[in-house]
Amino acid sequence: EAGVVQSPRYKIIEKKQPVAFWCNPISGHNTLYWYRQNLGQGPELLIRYENEEAVDDSQLPKDRFSAERLKGVDSTLKIQPAELGDSAVYLCASSFRMGGPGEQYFGPGTRLTVT
Amino acid sequence: DAKTTQPPSMDCAEGRAANLPCNHSTISGNEYVYWYRQIHSQGPQYIIHGLKNNETNEMASLIITEDRKSSTLILPHATLRDTAVYYCIAQLFGNEKLTFGTGTRLTIIP
Repeated sequence: EAGVVQSPRYKIIEKKQPVAFWCNPISGHNTLYWYRQNLGQGPELLIRYENEEAVDDSQLPKDRFSAERLKGVDSTLKIQPAELGDSAVYLCASSFRMGGPGEQYFGPGTRLTVT
Repeated sequence: DAKTTQPPSMDCAEGRAANLPCNHSTISGNEYVYWYRQIHSQGPQYIIHGLKNNETNEMASLIITEDRKSSTLILPHATLRDTAVYYCIAQLFGNEKLTFGTGTRLTIIP
């Protein structure tokens, strides 16, 4: 079974440029998450989707970040414009929620460097 | 979700059991204890979870004290591939949001 796929794995951009990350979750998983992980810290949730609906985006900086999950499968996270402080690893995870706590399966992440 | 406390780092000899402690003294009755690990340059990987009974799977064992204020993750025969950051998370039943701390950096020594 294929795991969570993310692309690109690495991205270097100049500040003020836009950037987008793509995630394909495990087949059949209805819940999708985007996390951000700063160096030396644990991941922090940015947004959670249940199928197509964003059910928790309280930690997403909405002035410059946006996300979508069309058709309830793939998802894209965008930053426009990027700032130096956005340098981090962006992780996508998915799970199959059955009304209780479930395991989350993470992709390898996209390492973003903003110069 | 309850706050968890873990030592920042630990070493363990290859082939020995690695015992990783976690304190969650404010855990509520319906919060589960989850363990994840993150190997360098990879995303976190689920290991095990439990509510109040001890749990075992092919990767590890989870021992939760009777008062549920602390737990220990046991890797029975540590290998070099177990070198990683291990996260202990207390998660409310039905809450899909994992709140990661800084974890324990476990180094397996040959």
